[in-house]
Amino acid sequence: KNQVEQSPQSLIILEGKNCTLQCNYTVSPFSNLRWYKQDTGRGPVSLTIMTFSENTKSNGRYTATLDADTKQSSLHITASQLSDSASYICVVTPGENTGFQKLVFGTGTRLLVSP
Amino acid sequence: GAGVSQTPSNKVTEKGKYVELRCDPISGHTALYWYRQSLGQGPEFLIYFQGTGAADDSGLPNDRFFAVRPEGSVSTLKIQRTERGDSAVYLCASSSGRGHLSDTQYFGPGTRLTVL
Repeated sequence: KNQVEQSPQSLIILEGKNCTLQCNYTVSPFSNLRWYKQDTGRGPVSLTIMTFSENTKSNGRYTATLDADTKQSSLHITASQLSDSASYICVVTPGENTGFQKLVFGTGTRLLVSP
Repeated sequence: GAGVSQTPSNKVTEKGKYVELRCDPISGHTALYWYRQSLGQGPEFLIYFQGTGAADDSGLPNDRFFAVRPEGSVSTLKIQRTERGDSAVYLCASSSGRGHLSDTQYFGPGTRLTVL
């Protein structure tokens, strides 16, 4: 069964600190992996996308890594800001030809950045 | 429009009632998705439209759920005889529909449905 697991479930850090969120997946075949940010009461917004041939992708203070061999990804947030408080969801696109993106979502990590 | 919009933002209904949830995708996007997100969980796929047709409705939990997209733009998710277990946030997303697996899905803010 295609699954995406994330850890930790929740995290509290002080403003200005760095943090790393983890994602393990069992989706196969694999096409790409995204990290989404979801603010409370809003829809998810894509932060990064990586295919199996990419092992790192940055978007400002967000850096995602991918190890396709171990099926692990991480999202590193540098110099956290209060506005980083949100849920971060790891999303994998299976590579089978379903004709559309049947995304597999993780349950998310809820990050709280404290002043 | 500039983004995906959904109405209403909140809907409270009584058990057994019928509800309709509306999604306006980004203009020109041919692919439209509905998801359901329960508290503390990631979104779960419900149904996918390419143009006017429901290309995959395998995520709909039962026959009380139905969705339409008659003109290939706005979509309505319809839930009959609502049950308390239907309470969740219903998210809509759209993408260009080019068929690339790297196409980005843009999500709306969701409709929070509460069934009393």
